[in-house]
Amino acid sequence: DVKVTQSSRYLVKRTGEKVFLECVQDMDHENMFWYRQDPGLGLRLIYFSYDVKMKEKGDIPEGYSVSREKKERFSLILESASTNQTSMYLCASRKWRGGSNSPLHFGNGTRLTVT
Amino acid sequence: AQSVTQLGSHVSVSEGALVLLRCNYSSSVPPYLFWYVQYPNQGLQLLLKYTSAATLVKGINGFEAEFKKSETSFHLTKPSAHMSDAAEYFCAVRKAAGNKLTFGGGTRVLVKP
Repeated sequence: DVKVTQSSRYLVKRTGEKVFLECVQDMDHENMFWYRQDPGLGLRLIYFSYDVKMKEKGDIPEGYSVSREKKERFSLILESASTNQTSMYLCASRKWRGGSNSPLHFGNGTRLTVT
Repeated sequence: AQSVTQLGSHVSVSEGALVLLRCNYSSSVPPYLFWYVQYPNQGLQLLLKYTSAATLVKGINGFEAEFKKSETSFHLTKPSAHMSDAAEYFCAVRKAAGNKLTFGGGTRVLVKP
């Protein structure tokens, strides 16, 4: 079974702090994703990574950056946390098979509160 | 840009009754389609996916979905609801040549005894 592990289940940070959310997958997947989940809005893509050191903006990248130095790890960075970034953050990974419909595998999420 | 619409943010069904969750997508080319389920305090799990091999797709836990190109729909059904089906359900689409998965707003299912 694919395991996607997010380092923190709950996180409370202050406005202006730099925040790191970590995600590790153990199945050698090329693609990794960061989504945020808000009630009524479903999941919105923040950033994704095709492979190591490669990244692409999703639909809502403002206020976020990412890092993928190793294949198994994908970090989401909030450069200066703001209250509107209070949300549930979900990491996912996927095996790339060139046009196939391989599904995403999700971690259990990190609930971030910015005060 | 692709979009996914799930009709109804909350659905309440009685145990044993039919579950019907609606999903419509906007795409000029039939995309890959997915349904995911999220149980409380967990991440999302794949329920089923449409691969273009068959229009009626069977998934886990007795769920199935039918792809209707003319209606650009991919509705999810289960003939008889069980208490354990209480969860939030998400429809998602991906272009055939793309990596991005676009999600609908989600439908929370409540099952009454």
